[in-house]
Amino acid sequence: LAKTTQPISMDSYEGQEVNITCSHNNIATNDYITWYQQFPSQGPRFIIQGYKTKVTNEVASLFIPADRKSSTLSLPRVSLSDTAVYYCLVGPRGRYQLIWGAGTKLIIKP
Amino acid sequence: DADVTQTPRNRITKTGKRIMLECSQTKGHDRMYWYRQDPGLGLRLIYYSFDVKDINKGEISDGYSVSRQAQAKFSLSLESAIPNQTALYFCATSDRSTGGSNQPQHFGDGTRLSIL
Repeated sequence: LAKTTQPISMDSYEGQEVNITCSHNNIATNDYITWYQQFPSQGPRFIIQGYKTKVTNEVASLFIPADRKSSTLSLPRVSLSDTAVYYCLVGPRGRYQLIWGAGTKLIIKP
Repeated sequence: DADVTQTPRNRITKTGKRIMLECSQTKGHDRMYWYRQDPGLGLRLIYYSFDVKDINKGEISDGYSVSRQAQAKFSLSLESAIPNQTALYFCATSDRSTGGSNQPQHFGDGTRLSIL
């Protein structure tokens, strides 16, 4: 199972673009990269998933370089409500157990 | 996710008591999961079920048991609760994987369990 490494915490300001990088050096060929967001006292919420290159949806973009040993979650023009913990997970298809690290605590300031 | 309901939301009990946490979902998903989260840490998988007849141990199953009563219901039991099982417990569901990717997991709002 691939282990991930993320910064413990990050600060930014409203209106800025925030990039959170996740390292996963031993990612396997059939592993996908998935990001979740968690607010206090709530369950995590799926943000985005990708395998390679770039994926974009209505809330975020995910950049994955060719070697797939890292990935970057990009949140455009953040607001105070984006203050949360963000988790990066990698895992294979089929039967699996995802390993959840401690995540990155993102604090957005006014 | 409002389609994944956990009961109770909060529970305080004493060491040695048997406790059941319940989870029901209206998403029609085959797969259900139980996690625990300790303060400042990520989630750890306790048990998961890929359908009614398929139940699997996760990373930390000791001291826990589960029952998948129906596609929509997955309950977690602590047979004899101990203080270090004090944590936030989450139930999650997902659709079966297609095309190689893992389907997103949808989480309930959690049960905060305190064991004295």
